[in-house]
Amino acid sequence: DTAVSQTPKYLVTQMGNDKSIKCEQNLGHDTMYWYKQDSKKFLKIMFSYNNKELIINETVPNRFSPKSPDKAHLNLHINSLELGDSAVYFCASSQERSGSGYTFGSGTRLTVV
Amino acid sequence: KNEVEQSPQNLTAQEGEFITINCSYSVGISALHWLQQHPGGGIVSLFMLSSGKKKHGRLIATINIQEKHSSLHITASHPRDSAVYICAVKRGGSEKLVFGKGTKLTVNP
Repeated sequence: DTAVSQTPKYLVTQMGNDKSIKCEQNLGHDTMYWYKQDSKKFLKIMFSYNNKELIINETVPNRFSPKSPDKAHLNLHINSLELGDSAVYFCASSQERSGSGYTFGSGTRLTVV
Repeated sequence: KNEVEQSPQNLTAQEGEFITINCSYSVGISALHWLQQHPGGGIVSLFMLSSGKKKHGRLIATINIQEKHSSLHITASHPRDSAVYICAVKRGGSEKLVFGKGTKLTVNP
């Protein structure tokens, strides 16, 4: 009964393709995030949604578009994939007032060839 | 310079040793997080701190707000503690987490 689940776990695709990564949390958290971990293992925030509203949008190419149909889901769509998009993408959720920190998904390893 | 600096970058210890990982930050924060990333890639939240000290099993996290510094201690280290430990701070008034580059810990039997 996974708390934050993201699919797929691995994604290999060609340059120029469009792909989506899905994320769902069953914790009842209000806030969800997408993070990117590069080849040097450095994590960076990409987007954050609170109750379906975009609250953080870092300097990310507009080929990346998050979509939150409801507060339990935050999907990431990437258009015209480039080699430099290869990374591990982590979804996470949090409920600030609970004091329990963040819960991360298991990550999606995207490889663009 | 990164807003969050961790030291050391790499740490090798023998089983049973006491481990300390340090984190310094340069911005005003509302909370500091310690995360653990296993060799398999999964990330687990260990602690969220805004002041003082927290303990969970063999793990202890402390924070000194005035000095903008936090430490993560592991007592009686074990090979299963081998992982990357990441410090992250939440800026005051923001939902954004800023991450350190991580400390890779290897505990040998």
